Order: sequence, then C-alpha cells, then structure tokens
Amino acid sequence: KAGVTQTPRYLIKTRGQQVTLSCSPISGHRSVSWYQQTPGQGLQFLFEYFSETQRNKGNFPGRFSGRQFSNSRSEMNVSTLELGDSALYLCASSFAGTGLTGNTIYFGEGSWLTVV
Amino acid sequence: GQNIDQPTEMTATEGAIVQINCTYQTSGFNGLFWYQQHAGEAPTFLSYNVLDGLEEKGRFSSFLSRSKGYSYLLLKELQMKDSASYLCAVPSYSGAGSYQLTFGKGTKLSVIP
Repeated sequence: KAGVTQTPRYLIKTRGQQVTLSCSPISGHRSVSWYQQTPGQGLQFLFEYFSETQRNKGNFPGRFSGRQFSNSRSEMNVSTLELGDSALYLCASSFAGTGLTGNTIYFGEGSWLTVV
Repeated sequence: GQNIDQPTEMTATEGAIVQINCTYQTSGFNGLFWYQQHAGEAPTFLSYNVLDGLEEKGRFSSFLSRSKGYSYLLLKELQMKDSASYLCAVPSYSGAGSYQLTFGKGTKLSVIP
C-alpha cells in the first residue's frame, strides 16, 4: 500500500514568489491535512480538506491556501513568500478525519521549502 | 485553546529505559497521540490513549492521566535507532466532523552507546 506522497521534496524560492506543493493521500483516504513544521514553532496545523471542501483552517494568513481534487489529491499554495515561510510542510491523510480510533493518520515525508 | 509541554532534549544510554513526559491543557479532551520523527522523515504513529492507564506495545508504552493532564512515553531496552524526536499531540474538534492535531514542540532523544 503506497504511503502519502508529497512533491517536490526540496525547493528553494525567492521572497515574493509563490509556491505550490502537492500531496497524494493513501488510496481510499478522503481527508487531507497540512501542517507546517519549524524549529521554533514545531508542528502547526494549516488546514484540512475532506471531499474537496475545506473543513478547518489554522491560524495562518490568507497567503496560505489549499484545495482538494475529486481524487482526494491536494495542493497547497503560498503566495508572496516571506523568509519566515521557510519550513517543512507536511501532508497527512486519513480515511475520514483525524483518526481518533487509532493509528489512521499517516504523514508524508514532507516538502522542504527554503525562501531566500 | 490547547497547550502542550514536553522537555526539549533528553539523552539516554543504549539498553536503558527512558521516560518522556508530556503535560497538556485542553478545552475538551479527545485523547492523546505520540509520534516518533526521525530527522528528515515523516512523523510515524506510536500510540493513542483516550483512557487512563498504561498501554504497552512491545518496547514502547504510553501512560495517560486525564485528571492530571499528564502523559508519558516509556521506551525500554533503548536502541541507537530510537534516537529521534518524540511528539505529543492532542486532537481538538473543530466542527463539521473535523479534528486538528495540536503538537508539543517535541523531545529530541539522543541514545548514546
């Protein structure tokens, strides 16, 4: 069973540019969440999508956006990049949410974004 | 809101036992997760506790006390490969069937020979 796949794994962008990250969830999973991980703030929730609808959003500015397609694949976009956006962006998938019944939340390897 | 505290770093010797603590404050309790994250890799699920007590899974055990807002992860017979960050996380319900995980900043465990 293939895991959560994120692309690209590494990228470098310049301040002011925009970036799009992609996530393919585990087959059959309909919920996709995005998290930002930095050394200072740790893992922080960005947003969650289920059946192409954003159900939940974290405390991030409007420059951070996302979407989900009918095949459950998801993309997140960051516009007008700032140096502080440098981080590891993690995608997580689950069958129908955050999997409170147990080990049903699977994370991808992440996309390392460096803004220079 | 949610607030989670765990030690930043710990060091332990190969073959020993180590306990990683996590204290939390939540507006509603929906269980507590522990994840392991090796450097440069994805977090991987270790345990989920929703009831008080100790749950054992091989060399790893997790304990929860809801009245004290406290959990710990116990690692026995430490191996070098256990060197990683250990993340404590609590889910909060956000409506529309959606939960979000709030993570502690992680405890970086170094296992030395």
